[in-house]
Amino acid sequence: ELKVEQNPLFLSMQEGKNYTIYCNYSTTSDRLYWYRQDPGKSLESLFVLLSNGAVKQEGRLMASLDTKARLSTLHITAAVHDLSATYFCAAFGGATNKLIFGTGTLLAVQP
Amino acid sequence: DSGVTQTPKHLITATGQRVTLRCSPRSGDLSVYWYQQSLDQGLQFLIQYYNGEERAKGNILERFSAQQFPDLHSELNLSSLELGDSALYFCASSSGGSLGEQYFGPGTRLTVT
Repeated sequence: ELKVEQNPLFLSMQEGKNYTIYCNYSTTSDRLYWYRQDPGKSLESLFVLLSNGAVKQEGRLMASLDTKARLSTLHITAAVHDLSATYFCAAFGGATNKLIFGTGTLLAVQP
Repeated sequence: DSGVTQTPKHLITATGQRVTLRCSPRSGDLSVYWYQQSLDQGLQFLIQYYNGEERAKGNILERFSAQQFPDLHSELNLSSLELGDSALYFCASSSGGSLGEQYFGPGTRLTVT
C-alpha cells in the first residue's frame, strides 16, 4: 500500500533563508505532485513531476524527484512571508488509481 | 479559481442527519474525486468517478455514497452523521490526461453538532 511521509511537519523560518521540505513515498509511483493550501482555502497545484530527475521551478520554489530513492523535495529559496502556507506532496498509486497525500508541512515565514 | 465549483460552502447539521454535497467539475473534465480533510486524519481520498462510473475507492465509510450524473456533476451523500464526520470535503476534477493533474474546488465545511 502506497504511503507518503513528509517532513518536517512544521517549519518556522526567517525571511531570506533557504530550506527544504522532504517527501518520501513507500512504493513505486509514476507521478508526484506538490500542492499549496492557505488556511481555510482549497489546494492549489504547484508542480507535477513525472520522471526520475525531474526538476521544476516557479519563483522561489523548486521541486525535484528521485524515483530510485522514492524521494521528492521542495526547496524554498530566500523565503518571503507570502510563502507562508501548508505544502502537501502527493504520490499517485497507478495500480490503485489513487492520489495519496502526505501529512503536509506548515510553513511559517517570520519577518 | 480552479473552475471546480462546490455547494454549499458551509453546512451545519445534527448527528444522525443526512446531507448532500454537490460538485461541478471543470468544463471538459470527466473525472471527479472526493476528499475529506480533518485535523486528525489529514487529507483522505474517498472515491473517484469517471464519466459516470466508479473508478477507485478509498477510505469511504459505508454511510457515505457518491454518484456522478450524465452532466458530469457529482454528489456526495453522507448519512447517519456523527461528530467525527465534521471536516472539510473537497471535490477535484481531472481531464485524465498524461499529467493527471487534479484541480480542487473550494470545499464544503461540514460541522456536525
